[in-house]
Amino acid sequence: GQQLNQSPQSMFIQEGEDVSMNCTSSSIFNTWLWYKQDPGEGPVLLIALYKAGELTSNGRLTAQFGITRKDSFLNISASIPSDVGIYFCAGQKKSSGDKLTFGTGTRLAVRP
Amino acid sequence: NAGVTQTPKFRVLKTGQSMTLLCAQDMNHEYMYWYRQDPGMGLRLIHYSVGEGTTAKGEVPDGYNVSRLKKQNFLLGLESAAPSQTSVYFCASSYGQGGRGYEQYFGPGTRLTVT
Repeated sequence: GQQLNQSPQSMFIQEGEDVSMNCTSSSIFNTWLWYKQDPGEGPVLLIALYKAGELTSNGRLTAQFGITRKDSFLNISASIPSDVGIYFCAGQKKSSGDKLTFGTGTRLAVRP
Repeated sequence: NAGVTQTPKFRVLKTGQSMTLLCAQDMNHEYMYWYRQDPGMGLRLIHYSVGEGTTAKGEVPDGYNVSRLKKQNFLLGLESAAPSQTSVYFCASSYGQGGRGYEQYFGPGTRLTVT
């Protein structure tokens, strides 16, 4: 099945740095979701986006719904050690009904 | 409010054995989902349910069966386990039917090893 393309696959950054990652597809999506998965845990919903161009924040996290509706972006400002984990994007498109398409994940490591 | 819970957390099976994974949610969600997560493969949908008494196949349904006898519970069964079913299994639930209904909430996962 289709997976969304996430970039980068992994990042190793210094504490305090800002982080940017994105999710792209050749299909148009109506909803974009961003999840974080800690080791040994299930994905936790961070941010949900419903309109093209929408910009939504959750603390130090900001996500945007791309205006083409084929991509989405997640930024983390001033990273801290607890930001470590895997970040997944997920999208919902009309042809899939309520089923989500998931990205392959961006693995983030933070150096204190 | 426990959200989505899964039992067991870990299990080791021998090839050919059967088992049932239980998912329970207390958010009154209509929709429930079973995923498997394998390294490099992301989350893949096994089966899902859009309401009590209904089930449907997802992307990778072979070798699995499901039942949704009660709205709050969704069971995933392996009738004859195979090593290829070694994976981490996640249950999720959502309100469904548009807007915030697309937001899925996940359980903590079940790590299954088939030897």
